[in-house]
Amino acid sequence: AQSVTQLDSQVPVFEEAPVELRCNYSSSVSVYLFWYVQYPNQGLQLLLKYLSGSTLVKGINGFEAEFNKSQTSFHLRKPSVHISDTAEYFCAVRTEAGGTSYGKLTFGQGTILTVHP
Amino acid sequence: DAGVTQSPTHLIKTRGQHVTLRCSPISGHKSVSWYQQVLGQGPQFIFQYYEKEERGRGNFPDRFSARQFPNYSSELNVNALLLGDSALYLCASSSLVGNTIYFGEGSWLTVV
Repeated sequence: AQSVTQLDSQVPVFEEAPVELRCNYSSSVSVYLFWYVQYPNQGLQLLLKYLSGSTLVKGINGFEAEFNKSQTSFHLRKPSVHISDTAEYFCAVRTEAGGTSYGKLTFGQGTILTVHP
Repeated sequence: DAGVTQSPTHLIKTRGQHVTLRCSPISGHKSVSWYQQVLGQGPQFIFQYYEKEERGRGNFPDRFSARQFPNYSSELNVNALLLGDSALYLCASSSLVGNTIYFGEGSWLTVV
C-alpha cells in the first residue's frame, strides 16, 4: 500500500514571493505522482504529473515539481505566486502496477495556500 | 469537449435515506472512479469501474455500491445514510493512455 504526506497543512505567502509545497510518499513499488489544485467549492484540476523521464516537471499556471526518488519526495514550487493561486493543493500517487486500475489515487491531506497582497 | 459531468451538484438527505449520484465520463474514457472528500481532508478512493466491471474498492462499508453502464456512465449508491456520509463525492474518468485522471466538479451531499 502507498501513502502520501503533505508536510504543511497551511502555507501563507505574500504575492510575488516564491512558494514550495512539500509532499512525501511511501510505496513499495514504483509510482506515478500528481499534483491537483482545488479552488473553493470546485472539483480537482490537474496541475502536473510525473510518469517517467526528467525528474523536473512543469505544469500549468507556472508551477513545477521535482521528483526525488531517494528522498521519496515530490515538492511543488512556483517562483512568484499570485492572489489567484490561493487554493488547496493535493499531492497524489498511483502505482504503476495494476493493469487497468488507472482510477485509484492515494491523496495527501492537502495544503491550503493563501496568497496575501 | 465536455469534461466529467456529475449530478446533482447539491442535495440534502435525511439519515436512513438512500442516495444515487450520477457521473458521465469524458468521451472515450472507459474507466470511472469515485472518491469521497470529507471537509478538511483529501479525497478517499471508493470504487473504480472499467468496462462495466469493478476493478477496485476502497475501505468503505457495503452500504456503498456502484455500477457502470454500457455507455460508461456510472452511478454511486449509498444506502442507510449516516451523518458521517456528508461529503463532496467526486467522480473521475481516465483512459488507458496518458495516465491522467480527470475529475468532475462533484456532488455535495449533506445528511441531516
